[in-house]
Amino acid sequence: GAVVSQHPSWVICKSGTSVKIECRSLDFQATTMFWYRQFPKQSLMLMATSNEGSKATYEQGVEKDKFLINHASLTLSTLTVTSAHPEDSSFYICSARTSLGGVAKNIQYFGAGTRLSVL
Amino acid sequence: QKEVEQDPGPLSVPEGAIVSLNCTYSNSAFQYFMWYRQYSRKGPELLMYTYSSGNKEDGRFTAQVDKSSKYISLFIRDSQPSDSATYLCAMSSLRGNEKLTFGTGTRLTIIP
Repeated sequence: GAVVSQHPSWVICKSGTSVKIECRSLDFQATTMFWYRQFPKQSLMLMATSNEGSKATYEQGVEKDKFLINHASLTLSTLTVTSAHPEDSSFYICSARTSLGGVAKNIQYFGAGTRLSVL
Repeated sequence: QKEVEQDPGPLSVPEGAIVSLNCTYSNSAFQYFMWYRQYSRKGPELLMYTYSSGNKEDGRFTAQVDKSSKYISLFIRDSQPSDSATYLCAMSSLRGNEKLTFGTGTRLTIIP
């Protein structure tokens, strides 16, 4: 159980184009999803928290117009990198938290990540 | 001072050895503690989670939490080459519905 699917796993795009990354919870409902960015040999950096049906909450320093997040259903959140540039090249990872109570509500399950390369 | 401190390693041990991975933290509000394993270019995989203090065992893995010392550990028995990965500790407060605070991760290599 608790499987999170992230697609695509790797995308290469030209500078100036937009890229959409999907994150799906396959066997549970996720009221909250998170988007992280990870640079090589570094830990995860939280970009934004996404709650189903409401606007995402962005961390300080993350441009909300650059990284558009939509969480339209309890099983799907998307991250769109708009007008991507080479400096946006990174490893993007989503996670989902269940809508259950108790200890479970504190646990995040992660997708496999998306490697974005902007030429 | 970071909220969570974790030795980045790298840590190399021979196959079959017992591995000890540790994190210290400063925020006494943390109540939920997790260990994730991350292979290169993959997302983190949940290994263990613990609420408050105590031990938890799952197969070759044992998680320990000492809240009085603000210290958590993950032990791996009979280590295998497939255990080679980066191990991240993560924690959150009792309130729940909050973001996780991660350690920097420890890179572990098991030498056959």
